Amino acid sequence: GQNIDQPTEMTATEGAIVQINCTYQTSGFNGLFWYQQHAGEAPTFLSYNVLDGLEEKGRFSSFLSRSKGYSYLLLKELQMKDSASYLCAPMDSNYQLIWGAGTKLIIKP
Amino acid sequence: GAVVSQHPSWVICKSGTSVKIECRSLDFQATTMFWYRQFPKQSLMLMATSNEGSKATYEQGVEKDKFLINHASLTLSTLTVTSAHPEDSSFYICSAREARENQPQHFGDGTRLSIL
Repeated sequence: GQNIDQPTEMTATEGAIVQINCTYQTSGFNGLFWYQQHAGEAPTFLSYNVLDGLEEKGRFSSFLSRSKGYSYLLLKELQMKDSASYLCAPMDSNYQLIWGAGTKLIIKP
Repeated sequence: GAVVSQHPSWVICKSGTSVKIECRSLDFQATTMFWYRQFPKQSLMLMATSNEGSKATYEQGVEKDKFLINHASLTLSTLTVTSAHPEDSSFYICSAREARENQPQHFGDGTRLSIL
C-alpha cells in the first residue's frame, strides 16, 4: 500500500530552526511536494524535490533521499506566522499525489 | 503567478439544495483540475480529477451523480453538489495543474459548505 509517516505535532520557539521529517512508501515515485496549510485555509505550495539532495528556498529547505523513502522540510528563523500544518505529498507512478494528515507546527514566543 | 480562484468561499443552505462551486485558474492554463474535500483535522481526500474537455475520473466511493464536475475550458472547472444533505457539509477545495504532470498543484481558497 501507499503511506506517509510524519509526526502529528511539533512545537518550536520563534527564531529557532525546526526539521519536519517524512517517510513514505509509494507505488513508483515522481517526486515529492511540501505544502503549508494554515488552519481553515487551503494548502499553499512550498517545494518540490525529484532528485536526491537539498533544495533551498529562502528560510525553507527541503531534502530528499529516494533510496530511503525519506524527506525533510527545514524551517529557519521561525516566525509566528509559520504556525501551520505541513503536508508531505509524494507523487506515485500515476502522477497522483498521496496526502497524509500532515504535521501541525506550533511556534511559541 | 499560478493563482487559482474559487467561489464562493462560504455557502449555507437548506437540505435538498444544489450548490455550484467554481474554480478558475487566473494566470495559467489548467490542463488538469482536482476536487478535494477535507474534514476538520483530517487529510485532504481527493474526490475527482478532471481534464479539460473530458469526463472526470472519480475516486472510489464518490458518487458521480451526486458530485457533478464540469471542466469546460482550460481555466474553469465547476463542482455541483446535487440535493445536498447535512452529511455533505465539509471544506471543498479545488486545485489546478499545468500540462506537465510533475508540476505542483495550486489550490483555490476553498469553499466551506454548511447544509442545514
